[in-house]
Amino acid sequence: SQTIHQWPATLVQPVGSPLSLECTVEGTSNPNLYWYRQAAGRGLQLLFYSVGIGQISSEVPQNLSASRPQDRQFILSSKKLLLSDSGFYLCAWSGPVINTEAFFGQGTRLTVV
Amino acid sequence: AQTVTQSQPEMSVQEAETVTLSCTYDTSESDYYLFWYKQPPSRQMILVIRQEAYKQQNATENRFSVNFQKAAKSFSLKISDSQLGDAAMYFCAYRSTNNNDMRFGAGTRLTVKP
Repeated sequence: SQTIHQWPATLVQPVGSPLSLECTVEGTSNPNLYWYRQAAGRGLQLLFYSVGIGQISSEVPQNLSASRPQDRQFILSSKKLLLSDSGFYLCAWSGPVINTEAFFGQGTRLTVV
Repeated sequence: AQTVTQSQPEMSVQEAETVTLSCTYDTSESDYYLFWYKQPPSRQMILVIRQEAYKQQNATENRFSVNFQKAAKSFSLKISDSQLGDAAMYFCAYRSTNNNDMRFGAGTRLTVKP
């Protein structure tokens, strides 16, 4: 069966520090991968999605970046965090077949102080 | 890019009653998929129901059903016989057939009163 792992679960980082959140999927090949951010009490904002290794689509211009070094690995990064980067970050995957839903990781609660 | 709008930030329903959550979307595509997700306090995203745009029949899953109006680009969720465990944030989502992205609405917080 397919599983998705996202870590860490919580993170407190000072302003200006770097960020690296990692997400891996097991049990499937060539998944579509997504990074979402959820501000407190708000909806899910699509940040990045990827349909293959090295293929990243960015939805929101900001100081975050994403990379997909391996088929089932998706990394969210920042060189210098801002206070406004605080939020709940969710990684998700979906199958290449269009009728499949997205499956989500447990999320990372990021607090920038 | 497609957009998904949920115009009800909060809704409340009495236990055992029925509630309908609204969702509209904007797209130029003719084929796509729509989903409703539930996010309880644990923040784990749980799929509630899905709808294929090419199917006219509304999807149903036990107490959950949708009213899909393709021409109006409307996709509402009806919860019948509401239970305390239904209390959560509910998100409407759109999946594109062209570029595989998946977009969500702002969510509706549902409260169930005993």
